[in-house]
Amino acid sequence: AQTVTQSQPEMSVQEAETVTLSCTYDTSESDYYLFWYKQPPSRQMILVIRQEAYKQQNATENRFSVNFQKAAKSFSLKISDSQLGDAAMYFCAYRRIIQGAQKLVFGQGTRLTINP
Amino acid sequence: EAQVTQNPRYLITVTGKKLTVTCSQNMNHEYMSWYRQDPGLGLRQIYYSMNVEVTDKGDVPEGYKVSRKEKRNFPLILESPSPNQTSLYFCASSFLGGRRYEQYFGPGTRLTVT
Repeated sequence: AQTVTQSQPEMSVQEAETVTLSCTYDTSESDYYLFWYKQPPSRQMILVIRQEAYKQQNATENRFSVNFQKAAKSFSLKISDSQLGDAAMYFCAYRRIIQGAQKLVFGQGTRLTINP
Repeated sequence: EAQVTQNPRYLITVTGKKLTVTCSQNMNHEYMSWYRQDPGLGLRQIYYSMNVEVTDKGDVPEGYKVSRKEKRNFPLILESPSPNQTSLYFCASSFLGGRRYEQYFGPGTRLTVT
């Protein structure tokens, strides 16, 4: 079974600094997708960044980037120049497709606090 | 505006009183899914649907029912709610196939069962 583990229940960082959130996953598949979602206090699930397993290049979206280590099954999120609006719960998620059916498995979440 | 809507956003009910949480999307997505979010557990899939009249169980389907009579709607039914179903519920939708993989989430429904 696929599992996703986020070992840091809470993290904090000073505004303008860089923080890295960890995620590991377990799978025997070779073709899959990985995501980071942000959940602010409004509870809305917002897609931050995605990574396709067949791509070796790490995904980047503005201040957000990932370190995808396929062999180690690791998928960490780096937030550069942290802003107060980055404060949220962050979920790592693994997605595979079987005969068109999507299976999205989430980690436990990491609550990120930004200190002004 | 492309969106997934859920109603109600908040619901407090009593044990055993049947309830339905509606979900609707306007993006012509084939795939729809329900998740529940609990502290320390992340989001877990309850049921999903790949198209009209095609539904299947996710990881935690016990105590829930769904239906997909129209492509845009995917209601979640709790026929006899219990306190352990107190949770935050999300509906999500996406296209099937190809690389159009992003799931769009609704705003969430906070359910309390007393």
